[in-house]
Amino acid sequence: ETGVTQTPRHLVMGMTNKKSLKCEQHLGHNAMYWYKQSAKKPLELMFVYNFKEQTENNSVPSRFSPECPNSSHLFLHLHTLQPEDSALYLCASSQLSNQPQHFGDGTRLSIL
Amino acid sequence: SQQGEEDPQALSIQEGENATMNCSYKTSINNLQWYRQNSGRGLVHLILIRSNEREKHSGRLRVTLDTSKKSSSLLITASRAADTASYFCAPNTGKLIFGQGTTLQVKP
Repeated sequence: ETGVTQTPRHLVMGMTNKKSLKCEQHLGHNAMYWYKQSAKKPLELMFVYNFKEQTENNSVPSRFSPECPNSSHLFLHLHTLQPEDSALYLCASSQLSNQPQHFGDGTRLSIL
Repeated sequence: SQQGEEDPQALSIQEGENATMNCSYKTSINNLQWYRQNSGRGLVHLILIRSNEREKHSGRLRVTLDTSKKSSSLLITASRAADTASYFCAPNTGKLIFGQGTTLQVKP
């Protein structure tokens, strides 16, 4: 148990669907992150939120839309995804941006 | 690229042996962190070494940092089958930049 919970663990969706990934942290952290992990590629940072404000968008396509309603919850809204978006999406949190990150176990996303 | 680059990409050893993984990076850092990822799971933080530190220990883990060479190493001593995982270094330049990792297999 890492203190970071991601749901769902697995998601299969068609390219025209709209779905959301959810992340919740129970650690009292102030920074939250979305990463994409594809086979044979380095972990890619997508978005960073500090104190609920987005501080990093790493040139992510607009079909990925993050939302951080409070410091404990982070969402990733998905629409009109492409097959190359199939990957493991990991959420993480940390007290501050320089400090160790705690990861959830990810959502395995498959786009049909 | 600022990312950490791990070497080797894959390592297979017998239980009880030591495992050494290396990391190189390209820019100035605040600290450098090492993480482990078991198959199908998220990353787990192992150890953080600050830019003004040269060596750090945690249990069977030993991390070194050479900022002049922009390199770090992770040594796992007396390895166990449970150490089988992927290991990532993450230089911290204000954000963590992960490499592709080293896949370690420890055979019983």
